[in-house]
Parts: sequence; C-alpha cells; structure tokens
Amino acid sequence: NAGVTQTPKFRVLKTGQSMTLLCAQDMNHEYMYWYRQDPGMGLRLIHYSVGEGTTAKGEVPDGYNVSRLKKQNFLLGLESAAPSQTSVYFCASSYGRPSGTEAFFGQGTRLTVV
Amino acid sequence: AQTVTQSQPEMSVQEAETVTLSCTYDTSESDYYLFWYKQPPSRQMILVIRQEAYKQQNATENRFSVNFQKAAKSFSLKISDSQLGDAAMYFCAYRSLNSGGSNYKLTFGKGTLLTVNP
Repeated sequence: NAGVTQTPKFRVLKTGQSMTLLCAQDMNHEYMYWYRQDPGMGLRLIHYSVGEGTTAKGEVPDGYNVSRLKKQNFLLGLESAAPSQTSVYFCASSYGRPSGTEAFFGQGTRLTVV
Repeated sequence: AQTVTQSQPEMSVQEAETVTLSCTYDTSESDYYLFWYKQPPSRQMILVIRQEAYKQQNATENRFSVNFQKAAKSFSLKISDSQLGDAAMYFCAYRSLNSGGSNYKLTFGKGTLLTVNP
C-alpha cells in the first residue's frame, strides 16, 4: 500500500548544483503535481501533469523542469539550484475526473540550498 | 482565479474543548469541492474532511465537522473534544469540478497552526 512515494526525503545542495526529485504513485492516477511549501505561504503549485507525456506550469514554475514519461512517475528537476529554492517539496496525485477528488500526497522532500 | 484565505495563522485549544478554524474562498464557479487537510509534525498531508459544493448538508467525520456557507463562501472546520494528536497545521483547499477549467489542481490557504494544551 505504497500510495505516493518521494525520493529523496532530505537533500542539501550547493548553489548551482542540479538534482532530480522522483515521485512515484501506484494508484493509477491521471493527475500528478509538484508543490512547494514555505513558512507562511501554504502550498504553491510548481508544475502539474494531466497525463503521461504532458506537463504544464503552475504558479511558481521558474527554475524547475518536469517530465512524465510514465504514468506512475513525475520527476522534478532543478538545473541550477538557488538558495530561494530551499523549501519542502511535495508530490501529489489524483484522479482526473472529480470522483474521488482528493489529492494523495507523498511524505515530502526537505531541500536546503547553501 | 480561485483564492483561499485562512485568516487565523495560529489557534490554541484546551484538550477536550471545541475549536473552529476559519476558511473563506473566492470563486465564480458553482461546482467545486472543498477540503481540510491536516499536516502534523511528521509533514505528511492527511485528508480530514471533504465537502461537495452541491450538497447542502455539512460533512462530518467523527469529531470533525464543517460549516459550509456557499453564499458566503465560507468553509470552517470544527474540532470537537480536541485531543493532543490534533495538534498540527491545518490547510483549507479548493478544487474546481468544471471540466476544462482549473479542476486539475488544489488551491490551498496558507494554513492555521493548531496547538492543543493539556
């Protein structure tokens, strides 16, 4: 009963380094999302995908790229990390049609850029 | 665009007492879902309760209930008989039901940090 799994759980990067966060879901959900959570800001949508091979920008997409080559996986990439990208990142997934509706979340990745 | 506002950054309650967390939202749509998520210190996002906008009856889940006022665009969460394990950040969230609209995403409020005092 894995649900949504994110790797890694913690990471420290130096400014300018790159990394990829992996999200995997086993619920056959069509939609997948990447959010970032910052103190006092709630969760803000970075990018999302409504199906395999499709991605789109959310509210705060700058500095990030995503790919969804397989339905169950959604990757978030940072090409050149900046201190402003220090945050907790959440992946989520949901059914596309409203039935079910709620999003299921991974356990989060705490990223620190120094 | 939809917005969700939680006007109480922090709240506190005594164990066994009742507390109400406020949420208002702004939308021009008529069909949508509203949610309350709980985020304990473990960071895991846990769905507490959901409300379909077309349903007049307020949703309840054990000690958790909502007061949904569609005309006022208000969606408050009431926690009865508060327990120490209820201490967490609580987020209100909105999801459109309109196909082809913004039904792909959840829009979150900034959260309310609930402290439960023994």
